[in-house]
Amino acid sequence: GQNIDQPTEMTATEGAIVQINCTYQTSGFNGLFWYQQHAGEAPTFLSYNVLDGLEEKGRFSSFLSRSKGYSYLLLKELQMKDSASYLCAAQAAGNKLTFGGGTRVLVKP
Amino acid sequence: DTGVSQDPRHKITKRGQNVTFRCDPISEHNRLYWYRQTLGQGPEFLTYFQNEAQLEKSRLLSDRFSAERPKGSFSTLEIQRTEQGDSAMYLCASSSPSGGWFFGPGTRLTVL
Repeated sequence: GQNIDQPTEMTATEGAIVQINCTYQTSGFNGLFWYQQHAGEAPTFLSYNVLDGLEEKGRFSSFLSRSKGYSYLLLKELQMKDSASYLCAAQAAGNKLTFGGGTRVLVKP
Repeated sequence: DTGVSQDPRHKITKRGQNVTFRCDPISEHNRLYWYRQTLGQGPEFLTYFQNEAQLEKSRLLSDRFSAERPKGSFSTLEIQRTEQGDSAMYLCASSSPSGGWFFGPGTRLTVL
């Protein structure tokens, strides 16, 4: 079966750093995606990890440990526009993605 | 625009009516997926196609739901005899064999 767990909600201050953790149990695991989703909009792609380690892309970084079934998304220098839901998704057979429930991040001034 | 497109963007219907949504994937992507998302939840898998073949259907896809991709390009999702519980955002996504995965803007369905 597939199981993806991530926190429901996190709050952080503008300019700070927030780390969103995700644990997964997926048969036939191929890779781990992170998406950002603003209210009422479709998810937009942030990152994709296949190998263990850290992938850095500007203010956003994503980490994967395949042996631990664990990933995190790191958001640095938080801006008000980063207030959104962040979705962790595990890719399995057929390239299908299974999503977690999403983590709602609220950035406060 | 070369991204995934969906039509309509919004649909309001009365309970019991049939609705059909369309998805046009990125042209070189051979895989196409349908997901459903309700407020505060992550997207839930409904079905996916590789070219014109429907390879997997979720148990969420009751017999009132049907999806097609007749020529391996665009896809349609039809919901018959809509119920209020069908109100959700219906998301389409496409992917290539190399793994790039992208969503369309979604169709928001409201069943009154």
